[in-house]
Amino acid sequence: GAVVSQHPSRVICKSGTSVKIECRSLDFQATTMFWYRQFPKQSLMLMATSNEGSKATYEQGVEKDKFLINHASLTLSTLTVTSAHPEDSSFYICSAQRGSDTDTQYFGPGTRLTVL
Amino acid sequence: DQQVKQNSPSLSVQEGRISILNCDYTNSMFDYFLWYKKYPAEGPTFLISISSIKDKNEDGRFTVFLNKSAKHLSLHIVPSQPGDSAVYFCAASATDSWGKLQFGAGTQVVVTP
Repeated sequence: GAVVSQHPSRVICKSGTSVKIECRSLDFQATTMFWYRQFPKQSLMLMATSNEGSKATYEQGVEKDKFLINHASLTLSTLTVTSAHPEDSSFYICSAQRGSDTDTQYFGPGTRLTVL
Repeated sequence: DQQVKQNSPSLSVQEGRISILNCDYTNSMFDYFLWYKKYPAEGPTFLISISSIKDKNEDGRFTVFLNKSAKHLSLHIVPSQPGDSAVYFCAASATDSWGKLQFGAGTQVVVTP
């Protein structure tokens, strides 16, 4: 299957700093990427839809100024958590869609963010 | 509010037996349903899907059943194998959602020898 990578896999930062997470589709071009957040023992919650060359679409309740998304190329989307706080600590997963079918959405391995 | 629910956080099944995972949804606009499998430190991988125009879809050892009137779907794995031990997520999408998925909380399956 297609490969999607995320970097870093784990990050620990101090409160107030910003953290950037990269999501790359390694062997296909993805016009659409999605960012999810998962709390322990809970479901993956969709945060935003990232479209190459346009502004991201955020889900209700997600602060766009706090979670900055940039989809600068067909293989790279970045999520920047700005002025991180302990409550932002979570597992962030991206997915990249190859083609138009929902089946062809491939997930990255996730990034564990811990804010001290 | 949680639109996709997996009420069983865990399931233990003996190797060779059937695993049945359940999923309920509340949004009647959902018309496409998927099951994903997730190992620790890896992203979810697609397993099987079903469209709302069907009530059953089978792929090898995996079968998904959809009961639209009950807003319920289930995943059957038979026979269960040790490599099936993972977290299984149910997900749903609507036609006009452009690929957006709503996930359940997942069910941890443990297949014992």
